[in-house]
Amino acid sequence: DAGVIQSPRHEVTEMGQEVTLRCKPISGHNSLFWYRQTMMRGLELLIYFNNNVPIDDSGMPEDRFSAKMPNASFSTLKIQPSEPRDSAVYFCASSLVRKETQYFGPGTRLLVL
Amino acid sequence: AQSVSQHNHHVILSEAASLELGCNYSYGGTVNLFWYVQYPGQHLQLLLKYFSGDPLVKGIKGFEAEFIKSKFSFNLRKPSVQWSDTAEYFCAVIPGTASKLTFGTGTRLQVTL
Repeated sequence: DAGVIQSPRHEVTEMGQEVTLRCKPISGHNSLFWYRQTMMRGLELLIYFNNNVPIDDSGMPEDRFSAKMPNASFSTLKIQPSEPRDSAVYFCASSLVRKETQYFGPGTRLLVL
Repeated sequence: AQSVSQHNHHVILSEAASLELGCNYSYGGTVNLFWYVQYPGQHLQLLLKYFSGDPLVKGIKGFEAEFIKSKFSFNLRKPSVQWSDTAEYFCAVIPGTASKLTFGTGTRLQVTL
């Protein structure tokens, strides 16, 4: 199994630009999670989906952030417009069912200038 | 609110020393417990997990953890660390009634030669 796949691995953009992060979960996994990791705040859950349906987006910082999961094999996290404080590593994770082990992708390192 | 506490923020050990990293959680009911490791520049990987059964759990790379329900603890141990164990270690909890994985703030382990 290829594991969780994320793209791009690195993204450098300027403030105000739109950023789209992509995730392909492990095949057969029904739950997908987006996390953000920063030095100051550690690992934060942004949103998670179960069977492609967003269940809890209480961790999404503000309206500039949105996430979609159009099908079982693809999810996006979009930031529009991006700000320097959004600079972080964004991880996607998937699990077979909600309470089971989560497997993390390699992350996208985002730098907003 | 549920929380996960890792009291050791930065630990420095010499090779072959024994390791114990503390993890305490605040939720009183049934919990699923995890330890993840993040090597420098890499994504989170599962070290071990506890759902039920034997409270002494063995994971990969010689790590083990003991669930002590009365102390709300799930400490990670390794009898003899190696330089390659240098990484950040995260304890995480899913309470019985929830679906979200809550992470501790992490412990940075530095193993010196």
